[in-house]
Amino acid sequence: LAKTTQPISMDSYEGQEVNITCSHNNIATNDYITWYQQFPSQGPRFIIQGYKTKVTNEVASLFIPADRKSSTLSLPRVSLSDTAVYYCLVGEKKAMGRRALTFGSGTRLQVQP
Amino acid sequence: DADVTQTPRNRITKTGKRIMLECSQTKGHDRMYWYRQDPGLGLRLIYYSFDVKDINKGEISDGYSVSRQAQAKFSLSLESAIPNQTALYFCATSDLRTGATETQYFGPGTRLLVL
Repeated sequence: LAKTTQPISMDSYEGQEVNITCSHNNIATNDYITWYQQFPSQGPRFIIQGYKTKVTNEVASLFIPADRKSSTLSLPRVSLSDTAVYYCLVGEKKAMGRRALTFGSGTRLQVQP
Repeated sequence: DADVTQTPRNRITKTGKRIMLECSQTKGHDRMYWYRQDPGLGLRLIYYSFDVKDINKGEISDGYSVSRQAQAKFSLSLESAIPNQTALYFCATSDLRTGATETQYFGPGTRLLVL
């Protein structure tokens, strides 16, 4: 069964828009896609969640295509404080009709001045 | 997040020792989780509990056990610690939500070193 995958790292500059894509081609039918942010020596923190199409909040936007096999976290105009690791979390279909919450391996975003 | 606390924050132990990591929450959530984080591997689920009487194995439960003493407390034990259990351990909680996948709230983590 395919796992959730993300790019290992990304680099950007202050003021740019950053898009991080997560592939989850075995997502469970009724599950949402959730993104978390983690700073060093801290637990992950919720950023945004969505089921389909587009969701926007004060921090980010989340784009989900119709097949829901991927999602893209968009951070507008990043700053140095956005340097962190970003994880996507989905419910993944498993054998025997079970479901497991599966974190991606995380994308390390480095924002340069 | 002060609503989810973990003790100890750091622990050094020797191979073969039994240790317990504790998690407490004041969010009133029914669901609690234990994760392990290793460099480059992200977060992996060890055990999870949907209520006091419901304990489930996660992706990597071998070598670990848990106890849900109350709604607010969920402990992780390493019966006989080994060096490859050296990692950062996170506890998380969530509330049952109809429809949407529940949002998880994480503790500050426990850094464990097994010599």
